[in-house]
Amino acid sequence: NAGVTQTPKFRVLKTGQSMTLLCAQDMNHEYMYWYRQDPGMGLRLIHYSVGEGTTAKGEVPDGYNVSRLKKQNFLLGLESAAPSQTSVYFCASSYSTGGPYGANVLTFGAGSRLTVL
Amino acid sequence: GDSVTQMEGPVTLSEEAFLTINCTYTATGYPSLFWYVQYPGEGLQLLLKATKADDKGSNKGFEATYRKETTSFHLEKGSVQVSDSAVYFCALKPDSGNTPLVFGKGTRLSVIA
Repeated sequence: NAGVTQTPKFRVLKTGQSMTLLCAQDMNHEYMYWYRQDPGMGLRLIHYSVGEGTTAKGEVPDGYNVSRLKKQNFLLGLESAAPSQTSVYFCASSYSTGGPYGANVLTFGAGSRLTVL
Repeated sequence: GDSVTQMEGPVTLSEEAFLTINCTYTATGYPSLFWYVQYPGEGLQLLLKATKADDKGSNKGFEATYRKETTSFHLEKGSVQVSDSAVYFCALKPDSGNTPLVFGKGTRLSVIA
């Protein structure tokens, strides 16, 4: 039972390069989220999705795009990376209702550490 | 908007000491409240939760009570272990529809033997 899998785990980019982070979940969760974690800032929501084909902006969406073409996958794209996007990125997913632990209990991936030079 | 404020760390305790990490919230309606824990090098995982006023969530010796009168959800453990060293996040799920969880900034706990 893999849960939430993020790829890649580590990446170094140069300013201006683009990349995509992939999140895959095998729990049939409706909701998926992308967060970034920075020292002293806690977790900040970038974008989220409440179902296949839907996306919505979170607290810090600028410079990122997302897509949810399949229910199990949620992609986070950086079109032109900047040093301010150096961070650890976490994907999470949850049921909308029900589930073994109740609605809105998030399952997190292990994180993707991105460095932009 | 809804928000969570938790005590700043780091918190350093000796093994078997009593732990309290304060968490207060601002929200309309009746949010659900959560504590998540992040061990070194890992993602967050649910520690405990409470969905209505006066509920007590508990897990692994940790507990927290949903206090609507003081808008608080303080995390406590009677006797911490070295293995409890981690970052602890308080979070709330707003009462309104699909609005995602709001997290506090996290409190780092270090327990020394």
